[in-house]
Amino acid sequence: EVQLVESGGGLVQPGGSLRLSCAASGFTFSSNSMNWVRQAPGKGLEWVSYISSSSNAIYYADSVKGRFTVSRDNAKNSLYLQMNSLRDEDTAVYYCARGGITFGGLIVVWGQGTLVTVSS
Amino acid sequence: EIVLTQSPGTLSLSPGERATLSCRASQSVSSSYLAWYQQKPGQAPRLLIYGAYSRATGIPDRFSGSGSGTDFILTISRLEPEDFAVYYCQQYGSSPYTFGQGTKLEIK
Repeated sequence: EVQLVESGGGLVQPGGSLRLSCAASGFTFSSNSMNWVRQAPGKGLEWVSYISSSSNAIYYADSVKGRFTVSRDNAKNSLYLQMNSLRDEDTAVYYCARGGITFGGLIVVWGQGTLVTVSS
Repeated sequence: EIVLTQSPGTLSLSPGERATLSCRASQSVSSSYLAWYQQKPGQAPRLLIYGAYSRATGIPDRFSGSGSGTDFILTISRLEPEDFAVYYCQQYGSSPYTFGQGTKLEIK
């Protein structure tokens, strides 16, 4: 069974940092591109970041560029999102999401999400 | 950046009726790299349609997608009680891989 399990969410003050992790299982992680997508409370979906299977292509939404860093460890079947200089508007559920084989930005599998709350 | 605008914001229908949801792009979506997702309260989204009209694995055939260029449609032919949810379109042809703001399909 394909599974994506996020962790690392929590309460952080504005300007602080947080690192999210995503543990993947049930598929060949090293062959798949991955994404992070977020959803603010009561709002719609916002794509955040993409990383190719070998980490040679990385993209970010303008709203997080320069503050967030995506990375992966294929030996550990894990995806990460380092979030720095956090703002109130970064409060959201963050989903780890598997990309399609041919089109990495197509989200074929979603995790259950981890909540990040930025507040003083 | 390609901006996707979904309409209507909320659609009120009864089970058994036909639902038509629209997604309009600010510029042409390359090779119809347009997807639709369904999200129910408290759950992660689920992929329904990709490539504008191809159903994902396990998706009932009452769901269909159409369109090209800048105008795309998701049709649910006969609504079942479990279809009432929020629906999002997404373009994945060029980064940033933007989503529409969503259409809430509610029971009338």
